[in-house]
Amino acid sequence: AQSVTQPDIHITVSEGASLELRCNYSYGATPYLFWYVQSPGQGLQLLLKYFSGDTLVQGIKGFEAEFKRSQSSFNLRKPSVHWSDAAEYFCAVGLSYNTDKLIFGTGTRLQVFP
Amino acid sequence: DVKVTQSSRYLVKRTGEKVFLECVQDMDHENMFWYRQDPGLGLRLIYFSYDVKMKEKGDIPEGYSVSREKKERFSLILESASTNQTSMYLCASGTGGLDSPLHFGNGTRLTVT
Repeated sequence: AQSVTQPDIHITVSEGASLELRCNYSYGATPYLFWYVQSPGQGLQLLLKYFSGDTLVQGIKGFEAEFKRSQSSFNLRKPSVHWSDAAEYFCAVGLSYNTDKLIFGTGTRLQVFP
Repeated sequence: DVKVTQSSRYLVKRTGEKVFLECVQDMDHENMFWYRQDPGLGLRLIYFSYDVKMKEKGDIPEGYSVSREKKERFSLILESASTNQTSMYLCASGTGGLDSPLHFGNGTRLTVT
């Protein structure tokens, strides 16, 4: 069965430090991969997505993610974290291009210290 | 900008009550979804709808039903609320393909006592 694993439940970083959030997926076919962010009290907002092509994708707010097929991973990175990045981050996989039904991971809560 | 509006931010209901959670989107999206969000479990799909009067079960439909009488409105119904349905409920809408992102409401936090 298709699944998405985010091994880190909670991560704490200092403002200005680099960040990497891990995501592993289990899916037999070509995956359609997403990262969403949920700020406190808000709904989810799309950060970036990967369908094909260049395995390093750029998103909003200075985030990027790298697709590694050999590791079944799609890790999210940011070189310098800002206090406003404190939020919950969800990795998701889409099962088919023609449907927007997504399977989400369990989320990683990011805390940023000044 | 697409707006997905959930009618209540917080709800407190008693065990056994019938509960309606309402969601309205203003962009003529074909698809609408109800997710449940719990700590450590992420988002789990309850029900989704690809058209008016059309619904499909998600991964955790037990104890829930839905209604979509108009394209813009998708209701989640708890026929007889139980304490294990205390959770955050998120509504989303989409165009039907992965080329456009899902748009989420801000959520309804439901407490069943």
